[in-house]
Amino acid sequence: DQQVKQNSPSLSVQEGRISILNCDYTNSMFDYFLWYKKYPAEGPTFLISISSIKDKNEDGRFTVFLNKSAKHLSLHIVPSQPGDSAVYFCAADNQGGKLIFGQGTELSVKP
Amino acid sequence: GAVVSQHPSWVICKSGTSVKIECRSLDFQATTMFWYRQFPKQSLMLMATSNEGSKATYEQGVEKDKFLINHASLTLSTLTVTSAHPEDSSFYICSASRLAGQETQYFGPGTRLLVL
Repeated sequence: DQQVKQNSPSLSVQEGRISILNCDYTNSMFDYFLWYKKYPAEGPTFLISISSIKDKNEDGRFTVFLNKSAKHLSLHIVPSQPGDSAVYFCAADNQGGKLIFGQGTELSVKP
Repeated sequence: GAVVSQHPSWVICKSGTSVKIECRSLDFQATTMFWYRQFPKQSLMLMATSNEGSKATYEQGVEKDKFLINHASLTLSTLTVTSAHPEDSSFYICSASRLAGQETQYFGPGTRLLVL
């Protein structure tokens, strides 16, 4: 039972354009969501988070949008840079600090 | 910053041996540490949650006698894979958070385990 889903295993974007990574969840009790970036053979690095009381959180080039009614969140990266190429995981906090991760989306930003 | 280290970064061992992986929070005290496992091209799966001075809480399907977790101090947690078998080969990642609850988790770089 995959409670957090990232249905796109990969995404390719041209440098300078917007990257949109999507994530869906099933459990309405989730109240905090995070995005992590991961390079091969390294641990994930925290990017940005959002509480369920908000619908948007912005940090520089990264913006996370949350649609609670649709149980959907997305990460927007604009403008995309080649250094953004990595695997991006969304995660949901199930109230207690335990994170449930999606399968990840591999982003490739081409120069 | 919040830095978490893991040691070793990779290990190769023979089937039947035990392997210990250390997770340290270098510049903060971690109330809670988490251990994850990741198979290639798959998500990170939470194995267990450990709080300093108390027994770890294991996720469903994770054998606690197989994966021994000790959280001896606020900066160190260890995962011991006992009697390792080839199917235990995986990427093991720890994370640490300062507070219980919705505190950002800071991840270590991971340990690649290969059991021959």
